[in-house]
Order: sequence, then structure tokens, then C-alpha cells
Amino acid sequence: QKEVEQNSGPLSVPEGAIASLNCTYSDRGSQSFFWYRQYSGKSPELIMSIYSNGDKEDGRFTAQLNKASQYVSLLIRDSQPSDSATYLCAVRLSGSARQLTFGSGTQLTVLP
Amino acid sequence: DAGITQSPRHKVTETGTPVTLRCHQTENHRYMYWYRQDPGHGLRLIHYSYGVKDTDKGEVSDGYSVSRSKTEDFLLTLESATSSQTSVYFCAISGGQGADGYTFGSGTRLTVV
Repeated sequence: QKEVEQNSGPLSVPEGAIASLNCTYSDRGSQSFFWYRQYSGKSPELIMSIYSNGDKEDGRFTAQLNKASQYVSLLIRDSQPSDSATYLCAVRLSGSARQLTFGSGTQLTVLP
Repeated sequence: DAGITQSPRHKVTETGTPVTLRCHQTENHRYMYWYRQDPGHGLRLIHYSYGVKDTDKGEVSDGYSVSRSKTEDFLLTLESATSSQTSVYFCAISGGQGADGYTFGSGTRLTVV
């Protein structure tokens, strides 16, 4: 079992819809969770971090964390074609200093 | 990519040759990381550093070594390149204000022929 798992997709949604991206992790002691966006041929960029159970909103993005069920999700409201990218979930596992473990990413396509 | 640069951006090398990739930061961050990214595997940690001369292995460290003689520079060396090391290599830094997420460099695309 991978430590951080994501549906590889691809996921396609129409413009204006809500895109929902999911991530599960195996280490129950994990405390820090991140979502990165990576455009094709570019480096990952941090879009959200979440540390506590519940929702965290930033503009059109909402991160949701449920530690009991060991999943973290990212919702993108009013999806735009410019949101088309690969989304990477990253977790700082318990026992690690600062290093992050990444999922393999979910490719999102927003159709005009 | 502000404050972190990788060089070279692209490199083609022959099997068996040593290769060194450089990561340079101007943010004075304590932590630096090297990852490789391959289709289907996502980002995998090779080595990381938590200070000058302080380094440790990651998930896929075999065949790689690192050095950090200055805060701003973190070097990744492929001791004898193999075709399985063809990949995109990303450097990242952390330790800044607020969340402890990473800032990534632009990446180095390495091809071993």
C-alpha cells in the first residue's frame, strides 16, 4: 500500500462545475497536508495547506481534512480551463523531519 | 521559482558517466530537498539536507550522493549514470515563514543514453 494515494484520473469537468480531488494516506499520525498544482512541463506550486480537521477555504479552493478517515480532499469551485493541471497531494508523515511524501497526482481537465 | 534556481535545465549524458546537478537558493532556508519525478510514480525523495553538511537519505537514494557546503547550495551527484536515472529532477526548499510547504525549482530534465 502506498503511503499517499490519489486517483490518477484523468478527471474531466465542464467549465463552471466543481472539481473534487481526493487523497488518502496510511499514516494515522500525519499532521500536515498540502495540495500542489503542476502545469505540464512546469514545477509544482503550493496552493493549499491544511493541518486541522474540517474545511479551509481560499478563494475558489477548499481543502477538507478528515483525520479519522485519513483522507484529504480539494474542491475547486467554478472551475476554469486555466485550472487544467495535475494536482499533487503531499503529506508530512509522522517521524519525518520536514520531508513530504507525495501522491502520484490527479490530472484535471476543465472543458470549455 | 523566486529565490531558487536549478542548473542545468536540460542535460543528456552517457551511461556510466558522473553527473552533478546544482540547486541554489537565496532565501536562506535551512531545509533543501532533491526529488525525482517519473510518470506513474509522482515525486520521490532522493536526499534532503537540514543544514550545512547535514544530509540524509530519502526513499530512492541508491546511486545518488549529495553535498551541502554552503547554506545556499545543494548538489546532487549521480555517481555513474544509468538509463533508469533518466528523469526530471526537482530541488525544493522549506523553512520559511508560516506553513512548512515547499518551494520548488524549475527542474532539470536529465536523459541518460
